[in-house]
Amino acid sequence: KAGVTQTPRYLIKTRGQQVTLSCSPISGHRSVSWYQQTPGQGLQFLFEYFSETQRNKGNFPGRFSGRQFSNSRSEMNVSTLELGDSALYLCASSAGVDNEQFFGPGTRLTVL
Amino acid sequence: EDQVTQSPEALRLQEGESSSLNCSYTVSGLRGLFWYRQDPGKGPEFLFTLYSAGEEKEKERLKATLTKKESFLHITAPKPEDSATYLCAVQEAAGNKLTFGGGTRVLVKP
Repeated sequence: KAGVTQTPRYLIKTRGQQVTLSCSPISGHRSVSWYQQTPGQGLQFLFEYFSETQRNKGNFPGRFSGRQFSNSRSEMNVSTLELGDSALYLCASSAGVDNEQFFGPGTRLTVL
Repeated sequence: EDQVTQSPEALRLQEGESSSLNCSYTVSGLRGLFWYRQDPGKGPEFLFTLYSAGEEKEKERLKATLTKKESFLHITAPKPEDSATYLCAVQEAAGNKLTFGGGTRVLVKP
């Protein structure tokens, strides 16, 4: 069974640009969550989508947004990039609520 | 607000030297406590989920336990390949949001 895949794996952008990251969950999983990981703040929850609806949202500014498609694939978008957005962005998929969450390898975003 | 604190921040062990990692938490309604292992440059790898106080789970040299306020991850006779950052996270009463602790970096020297 294939795991969670994320594309691209690495990305370099400049301040002010926008970026879109993609996540394909494990087949059959309907929940996708996004996390930001930085050395200073650790792993922080961004948002969760289930059956194309945002079910939970973390404490991030509105520049961070996401969506989920009917095949459960998810994208997250960051607009007007700031230097502090440099991080490893991780997505996790789950079959539903109260199920284990499995993480992808992450997308390493560097903002210059 | 939910809080998860892991200690120690870093742990250096000799191969075969058993030890325990601590994860203390404050949540309004615990739905589950998760342990993950993360290697440098990779996503967290799922290890265990614990749901109720008194529950224990084992996998190879790892054993996780849960009380009402904390969880322990015991590493028995560790090997160098057990070197990694171990993360614990709590799941709130609603939804799949995980709140993570800062992690414990474990280095096992041969």
